[in-house]
Amino acid sequence: EVQLVESGGGLVQSGGSLRLSCAASGFTVSDNYMSWVRQAPGKGLEWISVIYSGGSTYYADSVKGRFTISRDYSKNTLYLQMNSLRAEDTAIYYCARVPRGFEYFQHWGQGTLVTVSS
Amino acid sequence: QSVLTQPPSVSGAPGQRVTISCTGSSSNTGAGYDVHWYQQLPGTAPKLLIYGNANRPSGVPDRFSGSKSGTSASLAIIGLQAEDEADYYCQSYDSSLSGYVFGTGTKVTVL
Repeated sequence: EVQLVESGGGLVQSGGSLRLSCAASGFTVSDNYMSWVRQAPGKGLEWISVIYSGGSTYYADSVKGRFTISRDYSKNTLYLQMNSLRAEDTAIYYCARVPRGFEYFQHWGQGTLVTVSS
Repeated sequence: QSVLTQPPSVSGAPGQRVTISCTGSSSNTGAGYDVHWYQQLPGTAPKLLIYGNANRPSGVPDRFSGSKSGTSASLAIIGLQAEDEADYYCQSYDSSLSGYVFGTGTKVTVL
């Protein structure tokens, strides 16, 4: 059974940093495309980053240069390093699995809340 | 930033048919990229509902159906049920952004 479990969220001051983790089970992270999607309170879904099976990474303009996506093969875990956090980064952050070669988010974690205080 | 446009809300009585539209542009849906749909029940993570324009994952009831034509796509719920009350999002890939894009989201209310 595929499972994604995010952790690392919390309260951080504006300008601070946070690292989110997404522990995967039931499949190999590095064999798939893995993404982060966020949802601000009361708002819609926003895609923010993807790491492809070959290692290429892409980011939404809203986080480019501040966030870094990475993965650890030995821990089968996805990460999101978030620097220079702003109030508008406050959101629930979800990790999601995109089957290799496809473009949809097949499995989602339960999400972790990041609150940036100004 | 939402690039795909959806109506903010739709409603219907139990048993009725409702449809949700999703309109993109020449760099996403109009470029031939597939549209996918997600259901988000209150307080929960999104769940894949339709992939590849019209395909249902295992376990999704057949009252949900999807279609796509040109730059637009639609999600239909035929035989609306109380448990279908949720937010629905369409999603595609955008070549100009080199990334994924979501719709603005539609709240479905069962009257």
